[in-house]
Amino acid sequence: DAEITQSPRHKITETGRQVTLACHQTWNHNNMFWYRQDLGHGLRLIHYSYGVHDTNKGEVSDGYSVSRSNTEDLPLTLESAASSQTSVYFCASSESMAGRGNEQFFGPGTRLTVL
Amino acid sequence: SQQGEEDPQALSIQEGENATMNCSYKTSINNLQWYRQNSGRGLVHLILIRSNEREKHSGRLRVTLDTSKKSSSLLITASRAADTASYFCATDDAGNNRKLIWGLGTSLAVNP
Repeated sequence: DAEITQSPRHKITETGRQVTLACHQTWNHNNMFWYRQDLGHGLRLIHYSYGVHDTNKGEVSDGYSVSRSNTEDLPLTLESAASSQTSVYFCASSESMAGRGNEQFFGPGTRLTVL
Repeated sequence: SQQGEEDPQALSIQEGENATMNCSYKTSINNLQWYRQNSGRGLVHLILIRSNEREKHSGRLRVTLDTSKKSSSLLITASRAADTASYFCATDDAGNNRKLIWGLGTSLAVNP
């Protein structure tokens, strides 16, 4: 069965370190998204991609970067981790066929703690 | 930015009762979706209603959409303890239907 996975599921790191969160989907979806979820803020979009070599900034992109070298993967990098980036991170994907719904499929999340 | 606003923020009911959650949004849309999130898990798609639809059913779920009021409601009938979760509405932007704009969610507790 197709799925979307994230790794690691839990990560503790120190301020200033570079951290990369992996997202891998086997749906063959063109669209991939990274969100962070914090109490009181709901889901906030960090970066998104509509296809290979395409990346776009979301509403809270400062301090984060992504790259899309293939259809399946969209790794999220925190260049220099800050305590404000302690959060739960979700990756999602969707297809983009005309006339079809844009339902997003979510990974299980990565809980990141920056000390 | 958050477009959808769910109401209420939290809801506590007894098993067997119906649960109603509301969502309001601000811009023109192609469709509106509802998702469920169990504690510690990712979101799961429940139902999508298109802008030209007024009501949609899926099992114990009933969704209504009023585009003139820019609002939607999710009704869960005969609730079960397993329905305990957070529920989110999400809308696309009529000009860009690939991104979704999320509400803050309603936390539903169904007590056995």
